[in-house]
Amino acid sequence: SQQGEEDPQALSIQEGENATMNCSYKTSINNLQWYRQNSGRGLVHLILIRSNEREKHSGRLRVTLDTSKKSSSLLITASRAADTASYFCATPEGGTDKLIFGTGTRLQVFP
Amino acid sequence: GAGVSQSPSNKVTEKGKDVELRCDPISGHTALYWYRQRLGQGLEFLIYFQGNSAPDKSGLPSDRFSAERTGESVSTLTIQRTQQEDSAVYLCASSLVRYGYTFGSGTRLTVV
Repeated sequence: SQQGEEDPQALSIQEGENATMNCSYKTSINNLQWYRQNSGRGLVHLILIRSNEREKHSGRLRVTLDTSKKSSSLLITASRAADTASYFCATPEGGTDKLIFGTGTRLQVFP
Repeated sequence: GAGVSQSPSNKVTEKGKDVELRCDPISGHTALYWYRQRLGQGLEFLIYFQGNSAPDKSGLPSDRFSAERTGESVSTLTIQRTQQEDSAVYLCASSLVRYGYTFGSGTRLTVV
């Protein structure tokens, strides 16, 4: 079963613009993670936000978490062509470390 | 090694043949996961190993699929009597408890 769903499914922007992706999930979590996937191969872990955190930054990435709405957002500021990839949110199932991934957002950044 | 290593990178097999996919996790990572990703789709959980606990096999789609892990090292995913719907990228990841995953580059399986 899929825990998270990303919105939008696809996003096209110009270099320099900001990109915002949203993720909704269904059950209580202790953390939420964002991953990037280039060219349909291995995923790269971007950032982990814990349930007691509301916002976290890493370089040009900003992640927010609203546990009352069961949603998270990933903001990429000043996007670059190299940011073109699919972005997935993931949450642990139950009390385990097994991650359930969302459906992904395909981001295209045009030079 | 420094990362998660998967082999082979690509595998083309005939329908009905068995295939074995290998994953070498990061040394010291107690947890190991297998996922399947069909073209243009999200990640589908297959199986999860955590230390010496019994593996969580709840995602294996049929009894043609099995996986083993020796201690906290190498894991193999075996698909018997492959079908065309098994064509996908098979991704392995390892992690320490409560941390993010490190993924391998995957094995692209094509069943013809």
